[in-house]
Amino acid sequence: DAGVTQSPTHLIKTRGQQVTLRCSPKSGHDTVSWYQQALGQGPQFIFQYYEEEERQRGNFPDRFSGHQFPNYSSELNVNALLLGDSALYLCASSWRDGAEAFFGQGTRLTVV
Amino acid sequence: AQSVTQLDSQVPVFEEAPVELRCNYSSSVSVYLFWYVQYPNQGLQLLLKYLSGSTLVESINGFEAEFNKSQTSFHLRKPSVHISDTAEYFCAVNLGGQDNQGGKLIFGQGTELSVKP
Repeated sequence: DAGVTQSPTHLIKTRGQQVTLRCSPKSGHDTVSWYQQALGQGPQFIFQYYEEEERQRGNFPDRFSGHQFPNYSSELNVNALLLGDSALYLCASSWRDGAEAFFGQGTRLTVV
Repeated sequence: AQSVTQLDSQVPVFEEAPVELRCNYSSSVSVYLFWYVQYPNQGLQLLLKYLSGSTLVESINGFEAEFNKSQTSFHLRKPSVHISDTAEYFCAVNLGGQDNQGGKLIFGQGTELSVKP
């Protein structure tokens, strides 16, 4: 059983560019959440998708957007990248109200 | 607002010594509680969880945590640590299905456990 998979594993972008990160949830899971983990910090909740809709959102600007596909996979898009967007982006999947979440290995985004 | 405080940012300890990583949370409603471990350049792995029932929960690799509702704490303990336990440990709370907050995890800042020979 494949767990949560994320792609790419590493990414370098230039300030002002746009980036798309991808996540495939664990088999049987229908809910995907995204987190941003800055260096030396705990993960911060960005948003959650369920039934192809954004169900919850954390305190992140509109530059951060997402999408969930009918097969439950998800994308995180970040526009107009800033240096401060450099972080490890984690995807987590769960079943429905998500009492237990499983995380992927993350995508390390570096903005230069 | 809900929050999680991990009281120690770094905990150095010698191999085979006991360790306690402290976690306190703030919430006006019942929560689910979790400990995650993160090894360098990796994602988060679930170490143990409290959802309901017995307040003492155990992991397969010797860690345990006790939910204390009156003190709003969920401290992580291990009686004898190994070099391989060196990692970052995160405490997290989940509000479950309350206020449509299901699935959202609120994390502490992390505790770096360093086990020395």
